[in-house]
Amino acid sequence: DAGITQSPRYKITETGRQVTLMCHQTWSHSYMFWYRQDLGHGLRLIYYSAAADITDKGEVPDGYVVSRSKTENFPLTLESATRSQTSVYFCASSESKRGYTDTQYFGPGTRLTVL
Amino acid sequence: KQEVTQIPAALSVPEGENLVLNCSFTDSAIYNLQWFRQDPGKGLTSLLLIQSSQREQTSGRLNASLDKSSGRSTLYIAASQPGDSATYLCAVKRDTSGTYKYIFGTGTRLKVLA
Repeated sequence: DAGITQSPRYKITETGRQVTLMCHQTWSHSYMFWYRQDLGHGLRLIYYSAAADITDKGEVPDGYVVSRSKTENFPLTLESATRSQTSVYFCASSESKRGYTDTQYFGPGTRLTVL
Repeated sequence: KQEVTQIPAALSVPEGENLVLNCSFTDSAIYNLQWFRQDPGKGLTSLLLIQSSQREQTSGRLNASLDKSSGRSTLYIAASQPGDSATYLCAVKRDTSGTYKYIFGTGTRLKVLA
């Protein structure tokens, strides 16, 4: 049972380059999320998706693009990376059913450094 | 704007102690509150989720309580062990239809000494 995986786990890139972080979950959960974690800010939601082809902005969406053509994948793209986007990025998923909890399951994270 | 605060930022206790971690939020109109554990270099693991209509949830040595009116939640850890050392985060989900957004606190870093 693979659960939720992220790739790459570590990435170093340069300012202005495009970077795509991958997220894959094997549970067929409806909801998927992208967060960034920075010292002093905790986790902040970048984008989330309620289902395939349905996405919505979170707290800090600027500079990021997402897509969700398949339920199991939710890639996050930095179109032109900036140093302020150096962070640890977490993907999460949740199964939202009537009467069930909104427990979120997190991937291991991607540590991104923008030089 | 909802703000979530966790105090203290760090805590060090001897093994065997019972301890309480605190989480405060400014807007009482929440849908639920969730406690997570994060080990260094790892993702978050959900520990307990309390719906807004509930007062507490228990799982093993962990007990989480929720007082919406005062904007507080506590995570009680009984008989702490070195394996409990981690960062503990709380997150609240807004009670707003059409959104699915959690606001996280910055966490309490717990160290349990053997």
